[in-house]
Amino acid sequence: DIQMTQSPSSLSASVGDRVTITCRASQSISTYVHWYQQKPGKAPNLLIYAASNLQSGVPSRFSGSRSGTDFTLTITSLQAEDSATYYCQQSHSTPYTFGQGTKLEIK
Amino acid sequence: QVQLQESGPGLVKPSETLSLTCTVSGDSISSYYWSWIRQPAGKGLEWIGRIYSSGTDFNPSLKSRATMSVDTSKNQFSLKLNSVTAADTAVYYCARGDLGKELNPWGQGTLVTVSS
Repeated sequence: DIQMTQSPSSLSASVGDRVTITCRASQSISTYVHWYQQKPGKAPNLLIYAASNLQSGVPSRFSGSRSGTDFTLTITSLQAEDSATYYCQQSHSTPYTFGQGTKLEIK
Repeated sequence: QVQLQESGPGLVKPSETLSLTCTVSGDSISSYYWSWIRQPAGKGLEWIGRIYSSGTDFNPSLKSRATMSVDTSKNQFSLKLNSVTAADTAVYYCARGDLGKELNPWGQGTLVTVSS
């Protein structure tokens, strides 16, 4: 299985801050990585697909990038409604796997 | 707009079979790949498997306990998980995903509790 090592597991930031969440894949997976936002009691919501493509309807303060097997989700100008848990996921090969999640708290 | 809705019993006894159905609206079940994902309370996401026109793929972690099927007449796909234990208690989601692509959209999820 491909392991997705996500960090940090939690972080706290203030409105207006820039936040970065990283996932490292255990092997080369091209751009087969996607990012989801999950709020309590809700299903995950797609933010970024194929490493760096912004899903329709998602605010432009969200962005994704790739460097080798490292994938990054960046949120610029953090808003209060961004409080959630964020997951990366690889779709290079089955079984699809997710990162452990990053719980983002707004101070 | 594609929408997915999970349905099924919320309580299953240990050693019995968990059965869930996902109803798809706004898209044909004959296209795409259709996945099941689960999430125990307070924990992360686990991909269970997927079904598509040519077959199925499953997470080996389930040790062959899972099966999936499609009912094209009802635009539904289903999950069966046998020999359940308390460890199978989770919110179960269905989602659409094409080969190698993202899972989108997702259903709202349904809580299944395994308990006697």
